[in-house]
Amino acid sequence: GGIITQTPKFLIGQEGQKLTLKCQQNFNHDTMYWYRQDSGKGLRLIYYSITENDLQKGDLSEGYDASREKKSSFSLTVTSAQKNEMAVFLCASSIASSAETLYFGSGTRLTVL
Amino acid sequence: GDKVKQSPSALSLQEGTNSALRCNFSIAATTVQWFLQNPRGSLINLFYLVPGTKENGRLKSAFDSKESYSTLHIRDAQLEDSGTYFCAAPSSNTNKVVFGTGTRLQVLP
Repeated sequence: GGIITQTPKFLIGQEGQKLTLKCQQNFNHDTMYWYRQDSGKGLRLIYYSITENDLQKGDLSEGYDASREKKSSFSLTVTSAQKNEMAVFLCASSIASSAETLYFGSGTRLTVL
Repeated sequence: GDKVKQSPSALSLQEGTNSALRCNFSIAATTVQWFLQNPRGSLINLFYLVPGTKENGRLKSAFDSKESYSTLHIRDAQLEDSGTYFCAAPSSNTNKVVFGTGTRLQVLP
């Protein structure tokens, strides 16, 4: 078995601040994803990556940057935190492509003051 | 509009009863996944399906790619089944996995 680790679990930032969320997986999966979930809502795709150094925009990429430094890690940067940014950010991975099962981390809860 | 729509949006069940959740796609889905997000927020994999059916304990899921829908049946509902159920499918010709709107299930004692 494997695990997806997201850090930090809770992140508090100031409006306008640049904030980085990290995700590590030891499944040796090729594809990794970042989703945002607002309170009581579904998951929306921000960025995904099909291999090291690859980046693909999702439906919600504006205001975010991502980086796939190596196969096992995928980081997400909020370029300028806004008060309406408060949400849970979920990282996921899958073996090769979207036609495979996704496995999720436990999330990073972002609060912007 | 929503590419993956789930119904009902919310549901309350008495313990021991049965129910069915539905997922309708406006994308040409070739596979579907079902997840349960528990009250702590963790997403638990329930099923990964190609067209056909799968069963696991009290849960059974079916996926019809031609009619573009999937169902999740819960038999003999238990309190621990409470949470939000999501279906998800890949958007055609991309690696984007699109999630449905969710069904919030509450099982009552």
